[in-house]
Amino acid sequence: GQNIDQPTEMTATEGAIVQINCTYQTSGFNGLFWYQQHAGEAPTFLSYNVLDGLEEKGRFSSFLSRSKGYSYLLLKELQMKDSASYLCAVRDDTSGTYKYIFGTGTRLKVLA
Amino acid sequence: EPEVTQTPSHQVTQMGQEVILRCVPISNHLYFYWYRQILGQKVEFLVSFYNNEISEKSEIFDDQFSVERPDGSNFTLKIRSTKLEDSAMYFCASSQLAGGEDTQYFGPGTRLTVL
Repeated sequence: GQNIDQPTEMTATEGAIVQINCTYQTSGFNGLFWYQQHAGEAPTFLSYNVLDGLEEKGRFSSFLSRSKGYSYLLLKELQMKDSASYLCAVRDDTSGTYKYIFGTGTRLKVLA
Repeated sequence: EPEVTQTPSHQVTQMGQEVILRCVPISNHLYFYWYRQILGQKVEFLVSFYNNEISEKSEIFDDQFSVERPDGSNFTLKIRSTKLEDSAMYFCASSQLAGGEDTQYFGPGTRLTVL
């Protein structure tokens, strides 16, 4: 079956570092994406991993281990505006075309 | 900065009615998508569309749903005979590429309420 697991909620303090984990079991794999979604708004793209290892983009980094079906999003120097849901999504290419499977999202609260 | 637009922002309809949700993807993008998100739940892929035909669709996208690119700029999602459980936020997205880092740009969404 297709399954993506993320913690439901996390809390961290302004200026701190937080790691949001994602594990996945999908029949096909062609890349993993992280999106940020503020309440009532559309998801916005944060990062993409298709090979094992760490991708860094400013305050945000994303890691992938394909053998473990595991990814994490690392947010550094947290700011209040980082309070949002973070969505892990897998692109599944089982059928030869692409289907996108999202996790339920992790709601991050950043406290002053 | 170019963006995906969607209309209307909120649609209220009676159960059994047909609705058409409209999207204008980013102009040089070739791949188009519809997603839905029931309140408090995860984003669910509905369908992808390329070269005037459906590329992939999920189990949710049954005969009740259809998509169309009627005029080269709009991309529509039609829901025939709406049901209460169709109430959700519907997001359109577009990307320039498929595969690789095909960054999908999401529109602001249409909130559909079925009464």
